[in-house]
Amino acid sequence: AQTVTQSQPEMSVQEAETVTLSCTYDTSESDYYLFWYKQPPSRQMILVIRQEAYKQQNATENRFSVNFQKAAKSFSLKISDSQLGDAAMYFCASTSGTYKYIFGTGTRLKVLA
Amino acid sequence: GAGVSQSPSNKVTEKGKDVELRCDPISGHTALYWYRQSLGQGLEFLIYFQGNSAPDKSGLPSDRFSAERTGGSVSTLTIQRTQQEDSAVYLCASSARIRGYEKLFFGSGTQLSVL
Repeated sequence: AQTVTQSQPEMSVQEAETVTLSCTYDTSESDYYLFWYKQPPSRQMILVIRQEAYKQQNATENRFSVNFQKAAKSFSLKISDSQLGDAAMYFCASTSGTYKYIFGTGTRLKVLA
Repeated sequence: GAGVSQSPSNKVTEKGKDVELRCDPISGHTALYWYRQSLGQGLEFLIYFQGNSAPDKSGLPSDRFSAERTGGSVSTLTIQRTQQEDSAVYLCASSARIRGYEKLFFGSGTQLSVL
């Protein structure tokens, strides 16, 4: 069975600083995808970044980047130059490409001015 | 519409009453999902629709929960005889197949409070 674990219920970061959110996963699939979703107070989940497991290169999207360690089954999210608008719940998720997604329990990120 | 629409945004009900939650997916998306998000928990899968049929209902927590989808579009999640433990945010998503995976598009959810 697939599992996704986020061990940090809450994190804080100073505005303009860098923060890393952790995620570990377990899957028996050879092909899979990993995601980070952001859920602001509006509750709408927004896709932040996606990583295909077959790609060795870490995905980046502007200030957001991942550190994908396939052997260790680790998938962390780095947010650079943190902004007040980055404050939200962040969920790590995985799928083998079917409809079935597995989500972690989330990390609440606070950004301090 | 441009995105996934859910209504109502918030619902307060009394224990024992029935509630209906509505989801209007992105036009053309054949796949639709319901998730439940309880306080401090991740997203719990409830049910998946492909068109009007539901090949996977495995996440529905009890027979008090049911869902239907008509015309391959709007879906309704019904909770009968609500209990306090049903209080949660109910999220709906639809998806489109992009580059080998189903990309999820979420609505803003319905916050259900059972008093």
